Amino acid sequence: SAVISQKPSRDICQRGTSLTIQCQVDSQVTMMFWYRQQPGQSLTLIATANQGSEATYESGFVIDKFPISRPNLTFSTLTVSNMSPEDSSIYLCSVGGEGYNEQFFGPGTRLTVL
Amino acid sequence: SQKIEQNSEALNIQEGKTATLTCNYTNYSPAYLQWYRQDPGRGPVFLLLIRENEKEKRKERLKVTFDTTLKQSLFHITASQPADSATYLCALEAGYSTLTFGKGTMLLVSP
Repeated sequence: SAVISQKPSRDICQRGTSLTIQCQVDSQVTMMFWYRQQPGQSLTLIATANQGSEATYESGFVIDKFPISRPNLTFSTLTVSNMSPEDSSIYLCSVGGEGYNEQFFGPGTRLTVL
Repeated sequence: SQKIEQNSEALNIQEGKTATLTCNYTNYSPAYLQWYRQDPGRGPVFLLLIRENEKEKRKERLKVTFDTTLKQSLFHITASQPADSATYLCALEAGYSTLTFGKGTMLLVSP
């Protein structure tokens, strides 16, 4: 298993600003995933972040809005840019378990945009 | 388009009974299916994985079935306890080690 921490745990931001969320894993992993969970909705994959390559974004998500960094095998950041109230959500990072089957999730970052 | 359906209504049961949650999917042929538990304010926690060639999987009081013909998985918790109260998410393999999640079903177990 993997232990994952995220910072910040929550934040309230103004429209038009950006927030960077950090994800730290206690072991080296190749693949890290970023999800969004809007109220009453399912977890939606934003992008897959592999160390040493560009992140792969899912349909409906673009790099300009959600730039991702993956500087090493234990750390990643997700930035929510030019925020609007529609970006209010919980953002979670996860890593694949052995064989990349089960995933281990961080506690999430609860973002509110006013 | 691909779709995963879980009962959006909360399931209320009494302690000691068996809880059964349903996950239906369309336009998928997943290699495996997973179930997660999510408590308020926390990230999902992995419970069980079942592969397409497996009919049933058990872990302690948990049992999962996977019917690829019906495109359905059932998740059972036997001898349920109030501590089992949570939201349970179904997730399907979506290629390249990614998962697609259902919205989840909230389970409430009363003493």
